[in-house]
This record gives sequence, structure tokens and C-alpha cells, in this order.
Amino acid sequence: DTAVSQTPKYLVTQMGNDKSIKCEQNLGHDTMYWYKQDSKKFLKIMFSYNNKELIINETVPNRFSPKSPDKAHLNLHINSLELGDSAVYFCASSQEVRKQFFGPGTRLTVL
Amino acid sequence: KQEVTQIPAALSVPEGENLVLNCSFTDSAIYNLQWFRQDPGKGLTSLLLIQSSQREQTSGRLNASLDKSSGRSTLYIAASQPGDSATYLCAVRPRLEETSGSRLTFGEGTQLTVNP
Repeated sequence: DTAVSQTPKYLVTQMGNDKSIKCEQNLGHDTMYWYKQDSKKFLKIMFSYNNKELIINETVPNRFSPKSPDKAHLNLHINSLELGDSAVYFCASSQEVRKQFFGPGTRLTVL
Repeated sequence: KQEVTQIPAALSVPEGENLVLNCSFTDSAIYNLQWFRQDPGKGLTSLLLIQSSQREQTSGRLNASLDKSSGRSTLYIAASQPGDSATYLCAVRPRLEETSGSRLTFGEGTQLTVNP
């Protein structure tokens, strides 16, 4: 069984479009995260939710809006996509501050 | 601001060698440190997690050590195999009392190639 799953795996879209990436975890964890991995393979935290509450919001453009309908889901909605948004986006989860488990990633390409 | 550095950026070794990957961090006020493996085009797989109070953790052929005071961690891989080829990332989590308690700060990774 997949512990942390993301959909879609690949997303190719035009500049200016709005898109969403979904994440689900079946580990019963209370904290979920979104990370961005750029072309240089550097991973950086974007958001963190604990029990559906936003606890970390890095310096991310307002075009990015996370939504957590319940503890098992953390979706990422991106408005007005720009070329620089092209990256691999990883969802992760943990129980409090314990080990983080990552999803397989969503490769976003903005044309 | 926490910064994590991994050296070397890339490493190529023949099969069977023992090797050490290095990770250093600038702020020793950490809660734990986690080593991950990332295969090309794939997500991250957690290998080992060391709490700040621990000195090392072992899993199979992997041994991770932590020297918090000097801001260093090493990942030792014994008897390397071609299947170990991947990018290895270390990440630190700050102490809980900081508001950013849940974030992981990642290094840029070491790309390991084990040649048959």
C-alpha cells in the first residue's frame, strides 16, 4: 500500500493556467508538508500543516495556496502559473516531529 | 538561518568499497537529522533518523553518526553495491521551541555511483 501518494505524477501546462496537485497519506500522521525541488535538485519547504492548520508558510508567492480538507489530505493549488514554477513538488507527512515520509513527486512543466 | 552542506557533490566508487558521505550544518540547535535516498525521477526514501541526543544509528550496511556540537553527520555505507547508486540527502530539523519547528532543511545531496 502506498503510504504517501500524489496526483498527478506529471503535469504539463501553459503559462497563466491554474492547476492543482493532490496529496494523500494513509499513515495516520498529523502533519503534512509541501516541498519544491528545483532544477538543481535542491529541496525546500513550502508549507506545513498540522491537524489541518497551517504552521509553516515559507516565502512562497500568493499564487500558491495549500488546502487541507482533512488530516490525510493536503492539496496544492497554483494560480497563474509561471515558467519559474517548473519543478518537482513533493508532499510529505510525519507524526509530529518524527521521521518524514515522502510521496513520489509531481513533475510540473510550465510552457 | 540554518544551512546544510554535503560533500562531495558527486562520488564514484567501484563495487565493494566502503564509503563515507559527509553532511555539515551551521546551527547546532537541531532536534534530529535524517538521511534520505533519492533515485532518479523518484521520491525520497528515508534511510536513518538520528535524534539530537543520539550519536549514531545503524540499519543493515548503513551507519549514520551525529556530532551535534561540531555540526557534522556522516553516512557510512559498507560493501557498496551498484544498487546503492542514488543521490543521498541529509536534512536537519530545528529544536521544537523554534516557531519553525517542523521544517526540514536539506543539503544539496551527494550523487553516488557504484560501478560494477
